[in-house]
Amino acid sequence: DTEVTQTPKHLVMGMTNKKSLKCEQHMGHRAMYWYKQKAKKPPELMFVYSYEKLSINESVPSRFSPECPNSSLLNLHLHALQPEDSALYLCASSYQREGSYEQYFGPGTRLTVT
Amino acid sequence: GQQLNQSPQSMFIQEGEDVSMNCTSSSIFNTWLWYKQDPGEGPVLLIALYKAGELTSNGRLTAQFGITRKDSFLNISASIPSDVGIYFCAGRSSNTGKLIFGQGTTLQVKP
Repeated sequence: DTEVTQTPKHLVMGMTNKKSLKCEQHMGHRAMYWYKQKAKKPPELMFVYSYEKLSINESVPSRFSPECPNSSLLNLHLHALQPEDSALYLCASSYQREGSYEQYFGPGTRLTVT
Repeated sequence: GQQLNQSPQSMFIQEGEDVSMNCTSSSIFNTWLWYKQDPGEGPVLLIALYKAGELTSNGRLTAQFGITRKDSFLNISASIPSDVGIYFCAGRSSNTGKLIFGQGTTLQVKP
């Protein structure tokens, strides 16, 4: 089973709203990732959690706040977003061990900021 | 920073034709991954490559890890309509552990 699940599938929010994106995997992966993807562009890395600790923050604005409650769950809290933040947000996970670096992506959350 | 050059940018082919796309970099990678993405969905992993020179197949797909560790190619044989989508290569940097993605190859197949 190589499934990463994400909820919600679609989200529309105003610039003053607070919302959260959720991601879950049960593959025993110890690295989890948030990516942002604009149409017809490759995914852009936002955050990496390794063993439940934030290991990489790609200079993401503070209106995006990641959280890793346990090894299976990853959240992305959103507050005071801008219209240009509208995109497909992808979660991914991987074993992060020698010889096993494949990242498996979830289906994404399509976010629209109005 | 590290960049991947993926080509071609797009392809429009007839069903049954073979397809080839590649990625090149000025940097060395220790892992190459190939993904396919359908509209509105997340990328799906097709093939993972870990050794220079490695040639791996997955059904009608074949990918190779270049001997210089700076390139990789993906071939699709006997294309079918469901092969339509965007194909991304990704190289894993041994320095940072991050995946560096190519810009993608959009494949369209005419029945």
